[in-house]
Amino acid sequence: GAVVSQHPSWVICKSGTSVKIECRSLDFQATTMFWYRQFPKQSLMLMATSNEGSKATYEQGVEKDKFLINHASLTLSTLTVTSAHPEDSSFYICSARALAGVLNEQFFGPGTRLTVL
Amino acid sequence: RKEVEQDPGPFNVPEGATVAFNCTYSNSASQSFFWYRQDCRKEPKLLMSVYSSGNEDGRFTAQLNRASQYISLLIRDSKLSDSATYLCAWASSARQLTFGSGTQLTVLP
Repeated sequence: GAVVSQHPSWVICKSGTSVKIECRSLDFQATTMFWYRQFPKQSLMLMATSNEGSKATYEQGVEKDKFLINHASLTLSTLTVTSAHPEDSSFYICSARALAGVLNEQFFGPGTRLTVL
Repeated sequence: RKEVEQDPGPFNVPEGATVAFNCTYSNSASQSFFWYRQDCRKEPKLLMSVYSSGNEDGRFTAQLNRASQYISLLIRDSKLSDSATYLCAWASSARQLTFGSGTQLTVLP
C-alpha cells in the first residue's frame, strides 16, 4: 500500500515557539493532503484540506494564521504551529489522497505528538 | 448534534465472542462510509469500506442502512489482536472524511 511519512514523530517545545511538521507521500503523488488533530480519547478532527499549489481550506474554528499550511509539491505538505501554547498539545495526523487510485481512499501518516510546555 | 455518533464503549469481550458496533450519521449528503481501526498512539488504518449491500472480509462484516442512517460492524470469533479503537467515518462528495469518536474494544483472554 501507499506510504505516508511524518516528521517529527514527536516534539516537545516551549510555549511561544513555532513547530513545523512535515507530511510526505513516499511512493505516490498526492493531489490533496489533509491535516487532522486528535485530543486524548477524542476523534480525529479535520483541521484543513491542502491542495498542491493552492491555499489550504480551513475548517470552521481553525485559525489559518496560527496553523500555517504549505503544500509546495505533490509529495510534501507542511503544517507550522505558530506561537504554540499548551492547549495546542495534541496528536497531529496528516493523510494523503493519491492522484489516481481508489476513490476516497486516504493514506494516513503515523502522526506527530506535540507537547507544548 | 454531532455529525457522527458512536457508542464510546468500552466493550470488554472474551476471546471468541461476537461483537457489534453501530454508528449513526446525520448528514444525508454522506456518500461513502468506512470503518477504521486505531491502535493506541497510532494512526487510523482502513479496515473496510461499507456498502449498502453489505460486505464481508473474513471475520468482519460491515453494513450500511441509508434509510435509518447508520452503519454497523460485526466482528466474529474475536481475537486478542482485535483490541483497538474502531472509528466509523463518512466522506462527502468533496472526499473529506468525518470521523466518529471511536469505540474502544478490549478482547480478554
